[in-house]
Amino acid sequence: KAGVTQTPRYLIKTRGQQVTLSCSPISGHRSVSWYQQTPGQGLQFLFEYFSETQRNKGNFPGRFSGRQFSNSRSEMNVSTLELGDSALYLCASNARTGNDNEQFFGPGTRLTVL
Amino acid sequence: AQSVAQPEDQVNVAEGNPLTVKCTYSVSGNPYLFWYVQYPNRGLQFLLKYITGDNLVKGSYGFEAEFNKSQTSFHLKKPSALVSDSALYFCAVRVPRGGGNKLTFGTGTQLKVEL
Repeated sequence: KAGVTQTPRYLIKTRGQQVTLSCSPISGHRSVSWYQQTPGQGLQFLFEYFSETQRNKGNFPGRFSGRQFSNSRSEMNVSTLELGDSALYLCASNARTGNDNEQFFGPGTRLTVL
Repeated sequence: AQSVAQPEDQVNVAEGNPLTVKCTYSVSGNPYLFWYVQYPNRGLQFLLKYITGDNLVKGSYGFEAEFNKSQTSFHLKKPSALVSDSALYFCAVRVPRGGGNKLTFGTGTQLKVEL
């Protein structure tokens, strides 16, 4: 079974631009979560999607948005980029296994904002 | 709101010695607790989790963790460390009801195992 795919792996943008990151979950998984990892703030939850609906949202400004498609692939968008948005963005593919949910993380997209 | 604390930014241990990476949590209700490991330029890899039952949880690569409800702790342990265990370790908590799959992470502990 293929793992979680995130594209692109590396991205360089300038302040004020916008960016779209993509995540393809493991086949059959219908839920996707996004996290931001920075040296200063650590790992922070952005949002979760299940069957194309946002199920949960973290404490991020409205510049951060996401969506999920009918094939469970998810995108997140950051508009009007700021230097502080430089981070590793991780996507997790979530699935029910037994009596709990299991999460599988992708390799991440490293975003650098100049 | 739930929170996780990892009091040590870095832990150094000699290969072959036992290792402990500390984690305490704060959450209302019964938490689901996790340990993940991250190698450079990689995503997170699942090590183990506690949901209910036996307080000692065994996971991947010889790691185990002990859930202590009275001390609200979930320390990660390994009897004999390997140089290849050197990585960044994260403790996380999930609220089983109402939180979906949202994980709240600690700040991470860099483990360095030396020869």
